[in-house]
Amino acid sequence: QSVLTQPPSASGTPGQRVSISCSGGGSNIGSNSVNWYQHFPGVAPKLLMYTDDKRPSGVPDRFSGSKSGTSASLAISGLRSEDEADYYCAAWDDSLNGWVFGGGTKLTVL
Amino acid sequence: EVQLVESGGGLVKPGASLRLSCAGSGYTFSAHSLNWVRQAPGKGLEWVSSITSNSAYVYYADSVKARFTISRDNAKSSLYLQMDSLTVEDTAVYYCARGVGGNHQKLHSFDNWGQGTLVTVSS
Repeated sequence: QSVLTQPPSASGTPGQRVSISCSGGGSNIGSNSVNWYQHFPGVAPKLLMYTDDKRPSGVPDRFSGSKSGTSASLAISGLRSEDEADYYCAAWDDSLNGWVFGGGTKLTVL
Repeated sequence: EVQLVESGGGLVKPGASLRLSCAGSGYTFSAHSLNWVRQAPGKGLEWVSSITSNSAYVYYADSVKARFTISRDNAKSSLYLQMDSLTVEDTAVYYCARGVGGNHQKLHSFDNWGQGTLVTVSS
């Protein structure tokens, strides 16, 4: 059971907008920023969003992040087939004194 | 180009030890914290351990505390993970990842990752 809760799956058709939620608590998301990672099976994970809503260089602006209270969200607009991957949220947990990840959301582009 | 290359994985029996390495290049190795993150078969990413740039602070997940030891040698641009008393639950691909951000770990994100090394614990 992951400390951060994500839906196990999400889906959308090309061009649609999809959103992936990440729910935590006061010691993690409620106190610290959230990062998002994109992971294609068999390759290295990639930083997709940091400090809640900042995109690293090279990440398309179709990806956006937000946070409110103890929940965060990753939105992908203009969905493309190449977005089909696993997405993970992560945050520092002050009580555990370490990083916690969400269980991951498998995004399918129909 | 930043590169992180893990090595040292393999098949071991329960109770055995294994030492993973991660060689960094393409950046000032000593300026960044480093992390180990693993993914068990069919499971999600799980943070394992972190070490600050000068080795002053180390952090461990409860699942590996007292069994795993993280260390680094900045002169060799290398990160290590000594894994003792391995169990079948430690079977996973182990990734090393570079940390970037503010002064404390909690401000960081993992901006570059290696390709991973597979550790299989089985009798």
